[in-house]
Amino acid sequence: DTAVSQTPKYLVTQMGNDKSIKCEQNLGHDTMYWYKQDSKKFLKIMFSYNNKELIINETVPNRFSPKSPDKAHLNLHINSLELGDSAVYFCASSLTHVTSEYEQYFGPGTRLTVT
Amino acid sequence: DQQVKQNSPSLSVQEGRISILNCDYTNSMFDYFLWYKKYPAEGPTFLISISSIKDKNEDGRFTVFLNKSAKHLSLHIVPSQPGDSAVYFCAASYSNAGGTSYGKLTFGQGTILTVHP
Repeated sequence: DTAVSQTPKYLVTQMGNDKSIKCEQNLGHDTMYWYKQDSKKFLKIMFSYNNKELIINETVPNRFSPKSPDKAHLNLHINSLELGDSAVYFCASSLTHVTSEYEQYFGPGTRLTVT
Repeated sequence: DQQVKQNSPSLSVQEGRISILNCDYTNSMFDYFLWYKKYPAEGPTFLISISSIKDKNEDGRFTVFLNKSAKHLSLHIVPSQPGDSAVYFCAASYSNAGGTSYGKLTFGQGTILTVHP
């Protein structure tokens, strides 16, 4: 009974390709996030959506485009993949975005390798 | 510019002893702090949190201490168990003037805890 799921779990692709990662949560949360864990292991927030509205947009190349078709889904599309995009991408969700006192639930991650 | 730092990449302790994981931050606006635990091939899971109006929060074997003047927090695990072996991430957030945080968490790079039987 997965709370936050991501597909695919692993993604190997070549430079220049376009790829998407999907995320779904069944917790009834209204806020979803994308994080990137780079080679130095820092988890850095990329985007956040609340009720399908973008509320956090960190300094991320515009090759990355999040899309939220509904509250339960937040997908990440990446155009023209580069070697530096190789990382683990985590999706997360929380009950609300208003306060951090509502914990964020993370998906298992998608390991993206660009060759 | 890493605003949250965990300077110990790893920590090894014996089962039954205390594990102390440390975290330092530079942004004095942070007002809420969290610890997450991560097993291999899984996402981080929430462990414990503390508001800046407190200096201690306890939940079973886990206690978080906050020293605002030193911009330092620590996670104590007593007694440590082999199942506690994981990566522990410290995270912080702050609220804007309207009291909204937007859920933005700033994470440290994690500390690998190994508890030996």
